Amino acid sequence: DAGVIQSPRHEVTEMGQEVTLRCKPISGHDYLFWYRQTMMRGLELLIYFNNNVPIDDSGMPEDRFSAKMPNASFSTLKIQPSEPRDSAVYFCASIPGWLDREALSGYTFGSGTRLTVV
Amino acid sequence: LAKTTQPISMDSYEGQEVNITCSHNNIATNDYITWYQQFPSQGPRFIIQGYKTKVTNEVASLFIPADRKSSTLSLPRVSLSDTAVYYCLLRGEYGGATNKLIFGTGTLLAVQP
Repeated sequence: DAGVIQSPRHEVTEMGQEVTLRCKPISGHDYLFWYRQTMMRGLELLIYFNNNVPIDDSGMPEDRFSAKMPNASFSTLKIQPSEPRDSAVYFCASIPGWLDREALSGYTFGSGTRLTVV
Repeated sequence: LAKTTQPISMDSYEGQEVNITCSHNNIATNDYITWYQQFPSQGPRFIIQGYKTKVTNEVASLFIPADRKSSTLSLPRVSLSDTAVYYCLLRGEYGGATNKLIFGTGTLLAVQP
């Protein structure tokens, strides 16, 4: 398995522009999570989906942020309009539906998208 | 979700055993203790998970006392490549909201030659 795939790896955009981040979870995983990481705030959970349905978006900072999961193999996080304070690394992660008591694996994170808004 | 507390940073030398302790006084009956490792510019990576007593895999050992209010991640004979941030988190057994992993500040382990 190729793991969780995120694109692009790096994104530089001007303030006010729309930004779309993409994620492909591991096949068969029921849950998908979007995190944001900055030096000041650490890793923050933004939103998560279960079976393509958004369950908890309480971590989404503002209405400028939106996330969708049109099918089990694809999710997007969109920022419109972008602002310099949105600059961060955005991670996507996925897990199967139930806890693996044998603890062979946990969440699988993607490599992240480093977003810079100038 | 129960909160975890761990040291902000630790220093070690190559070849030493490193023990990172995490406190989780309000752990729920159905919570499992998980540890993740994060290198710069990478996403967190799962290391180990346990419920009680001791768990060991090829990377680390996890010691959990009977009251489960703390846990200790043990890394044997660390090398420079083990320099990373280590996170202790709790994950619920029954899915749903208990699947949310809430990351704290983690412990920055710096291994020196």
